[in-house]
Amino acid sequence: AQSVTQLGSHVSVSEGALVLLRCNYSSSVPPYLFWYVQYPNQGLQLLLKYTSAATLVKGINGFEAEFKKSETSFHLTKPSAHMSDAAEYFCAVSDRTNAGKSTFGDGTTLTVKP
Amino acid sequence: DADVTQTPRNRITKTGKRIMLECSQTKGHDRMYWYRQDPGLGLRLIYYSFDVKDINKGEISDGYSVSRQAQAKFSLSLESAIPNQTALYFCATSDSGTGGLETQYFGPGTRLLVL
Repeated sequence: AQSVTQLGSHVSVSEGALVLLRCNYSSSVPPYLFWYVQYPNQGLQLLLKYTSAATLVKGINGFEAEFKKSETSFHLTKPSAHMSDAAEYFCAVSDRTNAGKSTFGDGTTLTVKP
Repeated sequence: DADVTQTPRNRITKTGKRIMLECSQTKGHDRMYWYRQDPGLGLRLIYYSFDVKDINKGEISDGYSVSRQAQAKFSLSLESAIPNQTALYFCATSDSGTGGLETQYFGPGTRLLVL
């Protein structure tokens, strides 16, 4: 069984500040991990994914995430927030045993203040 | 043109009515999914299909049915709509072959209101 917990349903930062969105996972086998972003009135799109090739994963728009097995975490960060980063962010987990089925977290809404 | 399209984008219906939500994709992917999104609950999987002859229930399939008419088309039906099916519905696709590493590609969503 696999699951994802996103800590904090709402995060607010000032423009230019560090963005940190937290995700912890549970998986009985080595996981694959994803971050998706949903802009208002749109579907989800992939930001980045962990493929086991490297623990630090870089994605689009300056986001990155680090896989930490000992902490079962995959937190999303960006050094400097832009107004355009305001969106809802979803962490997701899948693995070979679920072949293509991802389990999504409840989402974190990021607000960026001017 | 969008790779994954959903029709209609918005729908208001009454309790007890049958409605169908349609999804089409031009990505050539074999796998398709239907999710519903409710505030604070993330995305929950309703049904998924790994090819035209393979359809599987997700975690919340009760009250829903699906049809995979072709590789590119996957429709979701509510046989008798009820108010707690009011939600945002997403169709998604993915390409098989990477054993769980598949990226999912989402449509723009259908906002459904059941009165």
